[in-house]
Amino acid sequence: DGGITQSPKYLFRKEGQNVTLSCEQNLNHDAMYWYRQDPGQGLRLIYYSQIVNDFQKGDIAEGYSVSREKKESFPLTVTSAQKNPTAFYLCASSIARGDEQFFGPGTRLTVL
Amino acid sequence: AQKVTQAQTEISVVEKEDVTLDCVYETRDTTYYLFWYKQPPSGELVFLIRRNSFDEQNEISGRYSWNFQKSTSSFNFTITASQVVDSAVYFCALMQRQAGTALIFGKGTTLSVSS
Repeated sequence: DGGITQSPKYLFRKEGQNVTLSCEQNLNHDAMYWYRQDPGQGLRLIYYSQIVNDFQKGDIAEGYSVSREKKESFPLTVTSAQKNPTAFYLCASSIARGDEQFFGPGTRLTVL
Repeated sequence: AQKVTQAQTEISVVEKEDVTLDCVYETRDTTYYLFWYKQPPSGELVFLIRRNSFDEQNEISGRYSWNFQKSTSSFNFTITASQVVDSAVYFCALMQRQAGTALIFGKGTTLSVSS
């Protein structure tokens, strides 16, 4: 089955720790994205990547980092510089830039 | 500025009622795409429809229909004969062709359908 997987589903982090969220897709999509969702809010773009070894900042990139070493993988690191990291994180992919995006199941991050 | 407004924060209906979710957008681009996504309680966003700015034809898919009107910058979504399984948060989103990447989301409308 083709799709997008995110792990873990729930993640707890102590203040001051970095944590990495996994996103994998087997859809052979070129473009991948990370969004953050806060309660009662729409999604906001953190980072996106159109091809391997290339990525661009979105609207709220501060305190986050990404890598795109493989087409199917786009991990997101939430660093200690992110002041308010508790949120629901969604990964998405699309065939190419401009096409509809398909989303993974999300990771809920809580900072203790 | 680009913006998507979903003025209805929450809507509650009884099964079999029709319900319309409103979406108003702002963009300076002449070429853009509009989307609707459904977010059930599980959290995953489910793609429903994409519309490009040159195609104003209304679309119907089963109980779902969409009304795109450029004159009023609206892209409204109607569910006919609603069902309990339609209960979810629905997001309208805008993508500008020149930007070609970022989806600009509205804040969503929470639809509750009771039996």
